[in-house]
Amino acid sequence: AQSVTQLDSHVSVSEGTPVLLRCNYSSSYSPSLFWYVQHPNKGLQLLLKYTSAATLVKGINGFEAEFKKSETSFHLTKPSAHMSDAAEYFCVGYVSGGYNKLIFGAGTRLAVHP
Amino acid sequence: GAGVSQSPSNKVTEKGKDVELRCDPISGHTALYWYRQRLGQGLEFLIYFQGNSAPDKSGLPSDRFSAERTGESVSTLTIQRTQQEDSAVYLCASSFAGGHTGELFFGEGSRLTVL
Repeated sequence: AQSVTQLDSHVSVSEGTPVLLRCNYSSSYSPSLFWYVQHPNKGLQLLLKYTSAATLVKGINGFEAEFKKSETSFHLTKPSAHMSDAAEYFCVGYVSGGYNKLIFGAGTRLAVHP
Repeated sequence: GAGVSQSPSNKVTEKGKDVELRCDPISGHTALYWYRQRLGQGLEFLIYFQGNSAPDKSGLPSDRFSAERTGESVSTLTIQRTQQEDSAVYLCASSFAGGHTGELFFGEGSRLTVL
């Protein structure tokens, strides 16, 4: 079965320090992987996506993620957190084989402290 | 408008009543998805439309839930005889094609509270 696991439900960082949000996937095939962000009372917005091109993917707002097949990981990073980064982040995988369906991780809530 | 529009944004209903939630996707988007997000939890897939057909309804929790779509336009999610466990935010998303090739564009959701 294909699945996406976000390893931390909550992450707290200080403003200006690095951010690391961890995601592992399980898939029989090379997946398409995405990170989405959800600010309070807002819809989800795509941060970045991996679709088997470059393994290091750059997204909006200074975020990037690296696809590591050997580790089955797609961790999201940012060198320096900003207060406006506080939100819920979802790692998402594409399930192949017939229907187009995305599998969402449970989410990681990022808190940024002054 | 330019984005995915959902209505109502908030709905409070009594247990046992029926509710209808509406989604207006971005014009030209053939794929449409419904998700449910319970408080503090991730997104739960409900149903996927390609055009006006639904090749994947596997996420609908029970036969109280149904959805339809008119052409490549508006979709309606109907919940009959609502229960308290139906309380959640219902999110709609659309895309040009299937999710693996393109970005999903999400609406801001319809928050349902069943008393």
